[in-house]
Amino acid sequence: DIQMTQSPSSLSASVGDRVTITCRASQSISNSLNWFQQKPGTAPKLLIYTASNLQSGVPSRFSGSGSGTDFTLTISSLQPEDFATYYCQQSYRTPRTFGQGTKLEIK
Amino acid sequence: EVQLVESGGGLVKPGGSLRLSCAASGFTFSSYTMGWVRQAPGRGLEWVSSISGGSSYIYYADSVKGRFTISRDNAKNSLYLQMNSLRAEDTAMYFCARESQIPGAATADYWGQGTLVTVSS
Repeated sequence: DIQMTQSPSSLSASVGDRVTITCRASQSISNSLNWFQQKPGTAPKLLIYTASNLQSGVPSRFSGSGSGTDFTLTISSLQPEDFATYYCQQSYRTPRTFGQGTKLEIK
Repeated sequence: EVQLVESGGGLVKPGGSLRLSCAASGFTFSSYTMGWVRQAPGRGLEWVSSISGGSSYIYYADSVKGRFTISRDNAKNSLYLQMNSLRAEDTAMYFCARESQIPGAATADYWGQGTLVTVSS
């Protein structure tokens, strides 16, 4: 199975901050990397697919980059509604493994 | 509007069985690969199983292989997960999800609200 490792596991930041979350795959996955946002008690929401493509309706302050094994999710200017847990997931091969999550908290 | 509504969760004893259902609407169900993803309390996401639109391709996580069976009824726009020989570690919220048709982006673009399965004596 392809292992996905996110860092950091948790992060404290303030409204307006620029934040970057990284995701590393245990082998090359080309650009088959997706990012999800999950708020407590709700289902995950797709933010970015194939590493850098913004899902419809997602604000442009979210962006993704990377290919091969190393990927990043960047939020350019944190808004109050962005405090949540973020997961990366590879869709290169089954099982479609997720990272362990990054909890973004208010400083 | 795409909607996915899960049902069938509940409390079951270890070794027991449960059948989850997912009712889909707002899209051409038979054209999409569908799947189940679970989340244990306070834990991360785990992909469980997927099934292609015509049921030709079926995949399972190793953790459930041989115990869970995914199926679908395209006439009823419904997805199912038959769970047998349940264990305490199967306790989780189970989400139904639709797989995107965007080329190269085989990921879940729509999710249901989830149904909770608790395995406990």
